[in-house]
Amino acid sequence: DQQVKQNSPSLSVQEGRISILNCDYTNSMFDYFLWYKKYPAEGPTFLISISSIKDKNEDGRFTVFLNKSAKHLSLHIVPSQPGDSAVYFCAAKERGNKLVFGAGTILRVKS
Amino acid sequence: DVKVTQSSRYLVKRTGEKVFLECVQDMDHENMFWYRQDPGLGLRLIYFSYDVKMKEKGDIPEGYSVSREKKERFSLILESASTNQTSMYLCASSLTGVGTRDTQYFGPGTRLTVL
Repeated sequence: DQQVKQNSPSLSVQEGRISILNCDYTNSMFDYFLWYKKYPAEGPTFLISISSIKDKNEDGRFTVFLNKSAKHLSLHIVPSQPGDSAVYFCAAKERGNKLVFGAGTILRVKS
Repeated sequence: DVKVTQSSRYLVKRTGEKVFLECVQDMDHENMFWYRQDPGLGLRLIYFSYDVKMKEKGDIPEGYSVSREKKERFSLILESASTNQTSMYLCASSLTGVGTRDTQYFGPGTRLTVL
């Protein structure tokens, strides 16, 4: 059973608008959440993260929101740019070194 | 910058062959990981290692083994390749310690095709 779910396989957004990528999790023991971005033929690269004791973390155009009661997190990209087109993976960490990844969401930003 | 390198970008093997995938990291990270990425399934952990000569099974270890003889190198072995092991294989490494957040750094991946 998937502990981290990204229910939208793909998302299409116009350049300059907001992109919102969503992620749900089931394990309340997760203490840290990360977003990774992946271009074709490249490995995933770390984008932004958030601790379970916070509800928001911002880094430039990227903001991650965490709603612990709903076991939901989201990544906001404002404004979206064509170079943001990639696969975005949500990941969660339990105590220890392992990450559990979602299936990914393909973001396409149209110019 | 952390650098994780993988020995091959593309590999084609035949069913039944023994396959070695090599991964090297240059940042003295304790932890190393092997994942496979398949459409609709995301990244699934095969094996990981938190120290030299130490290894632990991930979520899908069947049909795979690993070797970590040196801190910087982590090898994934397919003892007898099968067509259902056709996939993108990703290696990652991370540092352990307060403040590191255990962020994993990934290599570019190896696209393995088993015919």
